[in-house]
Amino acid sequence: DAKTTQPPSMDCAEGRAANLPCNHSTISGNEYVYWYRQIHSQGPQYIIHGLKNNETNEMASLIITEDRKSSTLILPHATLRDTAVYYCIVRGGYQKVTFGIGTKLQVIP
Amino acid sequence: DTAVSQTPKYLVTQMGNDKSIKCEQNLGHDTMYWYKQDSKKFLKIMFSYNNKELIINETVPNRFSPKSPDKAHLNLHINSLELGDSAVYFCASSWGDNEQFFGPGTRLTVL
Repeated sequence: DAKTTQPPSMDCAEGRAANLPCNHSTISGNEYVYWYRQIHSQGPQYIIHGLKNNETNEMASLIITEDRKSSTLILPHATLRDTAVYYCIVRGGYQKVTFGIGTKLQVIP
Repeated sequence: DTAVSQTPKYLVTQMGNDKSIKCEQNLGHDTMYWYKQDSKKFLKIMFSYNNKELIINETVPNRFSPKSPDKAHLNLHINSLELGDSAVYFCASSWGDNEQFFGPGTRLTVL
């Protein structure tokens, strides 16, 4: 019952920007968009989150459309270490975090 | 200086046994979680505790019993283990409903 839709896989050339899309057309006004990633069998790692404004941190940028129905995670200069499964999650308050199947990003040398 | 730690990392046991997995966080968070990741890689929440009180309890067999002795610890005890319990179990913590920090996981194999 994930509230988001992501492509199952993507490739990106090393050094290029990786743009990972996510659709969340049923997002509610108080729900945030969170991004996590899981690198091969490790615990998921928090990347970034936002409500309606674009956000940037040392790992990535998050672009949220004005209607909030979709967003894009941008890894500006992808490296081989960024190969992972990326999960887009919407959540408000103490709602349970529901992980979908995510996008498997393969960074190619 | 590990933020969220779990023990053991690997656990191999026979069907019908009882086992526990321990989780500790040193981040000063007030909320802790247990997740299960099955062989198909779906990550599902099992339980969540806020200030030692259970706030999320998904449809999990009552053979699974979480225990939170204090805000820094959330242990998972599993009775009468079954083959279908084989999975990787992740502990996580957060401050309130903010971003969650995950442990390295415990790979449970039931034979």
